Amino acid sequence: DAGVIQSPRHEVTEMGQEVTLRCKPISGHDYLFWYRQTMMRGLELLIYFNNNVPIDDSGMPEDRFSAKMPNASFSNLKIQPSEPRDSAVYFCASSLGRDTDTQYFGPGTRLTVL
Amino acid sequence: KQEVTQIPAALSVPEGENLVLNCSFTDSAIYNLQWFRQDPGKGLTSLLLIQSSQREQTSGRLNASLDKSSGRSTLYIAASQPGDSATYLCAEGAQKLVFGQGTRLTINP
Repeated sequence: DAGVIQSPRHEVTEMGQEVTLRCKPISGHDYLFWYRQTMMRGLELLIYFNNNVPIDDSGMPEDRFSAKMPNASFSNLKIQPSEPRDSAVYFCASSLGRDTDTQYFGPGTRLTVL
Repeated sequence: KQEVTQIPAALSVPEGENLVLNCSFTDSAIYNLQWFRQDPGKGLTSLLLIQSSQREQTSGRLNASLDKSSGRSTLYIAASQPGDSATYLCAEGAQKLVFGQGTRLTINP
C-alpha cells in the first residue's frame, strides 16, 4: 500500500486566496483525520470523519475552514479566504478505527500564506 | 480537558546511551497512550500504543510504560543510535488524539 497520500506537498499563496489541500487515505480505513502543526501550538486535530461522515469538527478554527469527504478514497480541506496565520503543516491521517488502532499519517502539506 | 506535556523540549546524548523520554497527562481517565516519531519534513510514525488496561509495551530497543495514577508515560530507548535522532511525540486518546509538544532527540556519534 502507498500509505496516506497528500497533495500538494508545498503550497505558497497570497492572503485572500482559496487554498485546497487533498488527501487519499489508506484503502479500507474507515477513519480520516485532518491535523495542523505549528511551532506555537504543536499538533492539533481539526476534524475527523468516520465512513465519510464528519464526526467532530470542534478543532476547526473558524468558518474560513471547511472539509469534505465525498467518498472513501478522498478528502479535501479548504481555506477561504486564507490568512498569514494559517501558515502551517497540514497532515492527513487514516485508521481502521477500532480504539486500539493507530493512525497512519501522510507526509503533510506545508502551507505558506504571504 | 486533557493536556499532554513533554519535558524537555530537546535532548542531546552520546551514541550508545540508554535514555528516557517523559510524557505527562492531566486526566488519568485515558483511552490509549501512544508514542510517535517524526523525522524532519515527514509525517508521524507510530512506535508503540499502550491501552488503558496495560502497563507497558515493547518493540525492539523501545519500551513504553504507562502509570495512570501518576499521569505519566515514559519511552525508554536502549543503546541509542544516530538513526534514533528525531522528534518524539506522545498522544492520548482513541480517535481524538491530544498530542504533547514533543521532545527533539539528537544522538551524537
